[in-house]
Amino acid sequence: TQLLEQSPQFLSIQEGENLTVYCNSSSVFSSLQWYRQEPGEGPVLLVTVVTGGEVKKLKRLTFQFGDARKDSSLHITAAQPGDTGLYLCAGGRAGGTSYGKLTFGQGTILTVHP
Amino acid sequence: KAGVTQTPRYLIKTRGQQVTLSCSPISGHRSVSWYQQTPGQGLQFLFEYFSETQRNKGNFPGRFSGRQFSNSRSEMNVSTLELGDSALYLCASSQSGTVRSGANVLTFGAGSRLTVL
Repeated sequence: TQLLEQSPQFLSIQEGENLTVYCNSSSVFSSLQWYRQEPGEGPVLLVTVVTGGEVKKLKRLTFQFGDARKDSSLHITAAQPGDTGLYLCAGGRAGGTSYGKLTFGQGTILTVHP
Repeated sequence: KAGVTQTPRYLIKTRGQQVTLSCSPISGHRSVSWYQQTPGQGLQFLFEYFSETQRNKGNFPGRFSGRQFSNSRSEMNVSTLELGDSALYLCASSQSGTVRSGANVLTFGAGSRLTVL
């Protein structure tokens, strides 16, 4: 069974602080995705990384895929209250019949206080 | 274009009953996946349908079943409900079965929140 360990589970910070969320596995994934979910809604895709060592930036968010494609991180610079939510990492495998099957981490609940 | 639509959004059932949840994917998307989300277990994969065929199944008991229609709409059914089935059930659609970049890109609906009493 492929598992994704996500840490920390909870993060409570002040506006303007930086933070990093980690996603680790002993398995190799062909892609790693990060989602953000707000209460009462489904997860919304933030980014997909597919190449080992890949770094993607989305405004104040920086995503990195590990060289061995087993881990990923999400770094938020100068967090804002609007960043509050549940952040989920999810690993996918290409090929075969696994297209719609993602393995999710447990999630990180981020609260940014004004 | 319209997103993934799930109905009903909320429902309450009692133990032993059964429930059917519906999912309408984004127009043109042929793959529909279902996930169960609970505070303790997070998001867990239930099953995936593509062109009316189940091509992937998660580790859930046989009480959980699904199907997909010719218009790609999908339903999932849970029979003989148990308290532990209380969860947010999420449906996600994706465009096709070919993944050139190695990325499985899913678009999720808002979910159906099931409470079993």
